[in-house]
Amino acid sequence: EIVLTQSPGTLSLSPGERATLSCRASQSVADNFLAWYHQKPGQAPRLLIYGASSRPTAVPDRFSGRGSGTDFTLTISSLEPEDFAVYYCQQYGSAPTTFGQGTKVEI
Amino acid sequence: EVQLVESGGGVVRPGGSLRLSCVVSGFILDDFGMSWVRQVPGKGLEWVSGINWSGVRTAYADSVKGRFTISRDNAKNSLYLQLNSLRAEDTALYYCARGLPTLYPDFPYYAMDVWGQGTTVTVSS
Repeated sequence: EIVLTQSPGTLSLSPGERATLSCRASQSVADNFLAWYHQKPGQAPRLLIYGASSRPTAVPDRFSGRGSGTDFTLTISSLEPEDFAVYYCQQYGSAPTTFGQGTKVEI
Repeated sequence: EVQLVESGGGVVRPGGSLRLSCVVSGFILDDFGMSWVRQVPGKGLEWVSGINWSGVRTAYADSVKGRFTISRDNAKNSLYLQLNSLRAEDTALYYCARGLPTLYPDFPYYAMDVWGQGTTVTVSS
């Protein structure tokens, strides 16, 4: 199975700053089927990015994803208070689908 | 409003069984593959099982294969997960989630765009 390794484990930033999160796959992700989620305490995960770079309609455009093959990045251009959460990547191009271990973005 | 509501969780002894349900509303279930994902409090996300739109294709994590069964009844707008031979390590919050369609309708793995709030399974003697 594909192992996803996220870095850093924790990112300490201030509101207004730019956040860059990394997700590295142990093998190439087929069709760039790579998604990003964030999860706040006590809430279900929320999809931010799918297909490595596509954003669902309701997701603010400060969230962007890029990458291909084995290296993927989620960028938050300017952190809002509600963006402090845990972020997960997921590959769904190969069986079985797998998640990364998460990156915590903290104030 | 698109909504997923899970139920059926509870406390069960090791070796016991539970059946989780996920009732959906606000969309046509036939059009979407679905997944179950679990999370131990304070830990990360673990995919458990997926099913394609028709129910013909299913998939399971190795940790639950042979013990859990995913199914769906599109006419009842419902997704199910039968949990048998439960172990302490199955204790978690179980989410159902809607899959974003891809070019591969028979491939039961998805990005998940709508999630329920989860139902808690506790396996303890």
